[in-house]
Amino acid sequence: NAGVTQTPKFRILKIGQSMTLQCAQDMNHNYMYWYRQDPGMGLKLIYYSVGAGITDKGEVPNGYNVSRSTTEDFPLRLELAAPSQTSVYFCASSYKGGINTEAFFGQGTRLTVV
Amino acid sequence: EDQVTQSPEALRLQEGESSSLNCSYTVSGLRGLFWYRQDPGKGPEFLFTLYSAGEEKEKERLKATLTKKESFLHITAPKPEDSATYLCAVNTGGFKTIFGAGTRLFVKA
Repeated sequence: NAGVTQTPKFRILKIGQSMTLQCAQDMNHNYMYWYRQDPGMGLKLIYYSVGAGITDKGEVPNGYNVSRSTTEDFPLRLELAAPSQTSVYFCASSYKGGINTEAFFGQGTRLTVV
Repeated sequence: EDQVTQSPEALRLQEGESSSLNCSYTVSGLRGLFWYRQDPGKGPEFLFTLYSAGEEKEKERLKATLTKKESFLHITAPKPEDSATYLCAVNTGGFKTIFGAGTRLFVKA
């Protein structure tokens, strides 16, 4: 049982480039999330999804886009990368949402924009 | 503004030296408080959820407690493998969950 798998683990982007962070889960969870973690700061929610075809903005969505065509996959797209997007990105999933969230996290993608 | 503050930022213990980590919160309405453990280079791992003041939960050497203003994560007789960053998060409704910055715990043998 792989849980939540994120690829790539590390990436360096140049300013203005675009990329997609991949996330897949094999637990048949309806709820999926993208967070970013900056040094000395708490995790911030970027986008979340409550099921295939349904996504919504979190706390810090600017500069990002998501899609959810299947239950398993929840890719995060960065368009026109900026240095402010240098961070560690975590994808997570849960069976339930909100206060019942026991979220399972992937291992993270460390992104540097130069 | 809703806020979650964890203290101390870092804590160094000797093996067997019990201590507590603090998570204080100022939020409009607490629906649930979560504790996670995060190892270097890994994603957070869920530990506990607490829903109301007075509630306590235990797992091995860890015990989490909740009051109306703060939560404590008590670590009894810690071992080196307990070294990690411990994250606290508060849900105020729906998908609005606020994470603290974490406490880095180092346990020396």
